Amino acid sequence: VQLQESGPGLVKPSETLPLTCTVSDGSVSSGPYYWSWIRQSPGKGLEWIGYISSSGSTNYNPSLKSRLTISIDTSRNQFSLRLRSVTAADTAVYYCARIENLAPDYWGPGTLVTVSS
Amino acid sequence: DVVLTQSPLSLPVTLGQPASISCRSSESLVHSDGSTYLYWFQQRPGQPPRRLIYKLSNRDSGVPDRFSGSGSGTDFTLQISRVEPEDVGVYYCMQSRHWPGTFGQGTRVEIK
Repeated sequence: VQLQESGPGLVKPSETLPLTCTVSDGSVSSGPYYWSWIRQSPGKGLEWIGYISSSGSTNYNPSLKSRLTISIDTSRNQFSLRLRSVTAADTAVYYCARIENLAPDYWGPGTLVTVSS
Repeated sequence: DVVLTQSPLSLPVTLGQPASISCRSSESLVHSDGSTYLYWFQQRPGQPPRRLIYKLSNRDSGVPDRFSGSGSGTDFTLQISRVEPEDVGVYYCMQSRHWPGTFGQGTRVEIK
């Protein structure tokens, strides 16, 4: 399975960050898997943002829950993240990943998102 | 959130020699199903993390058998039996017993 993140590299403060993960050589609908977003920044290290099942049930990090939506589109074999009201603290490399045995096993290459005016 | 504390933060090693990284958890990672939800990852520069060990001691597919995971409850260890040049990178422990899953701060392995 391969994963690839896509989205803007630069987002203005207070705006919404939209990211999409496209899955290939595998299906978001199959297997005992969840689909996840994780970010990495120099200040906070690796942070698990949240995950979604193929049926659409979600689990969000409480620290981001009020600003976060993760969704899945099985017809396009994609899942997405929307993070609202971003600040400089949301600047990070964002990874999408497959969850197997309750931990990420396959990761996308990551996409750097900078929050700046 | 569960805090994972790794030590050392930097580990200079000699090629062919063993290396050991410690990870201590602020809470037990043992589930009532008997599994311990502790994982190890390797991250090389410019790459995403790669999972090496799942559920305490199980090697992922393609991971060399010089990597091994052990421990119990709140104290865990990743051991490399003989360090190879390609083992340079940052190693992270991670737990998913308690939500949100959390990562250690990382241990940088470098060659002396």
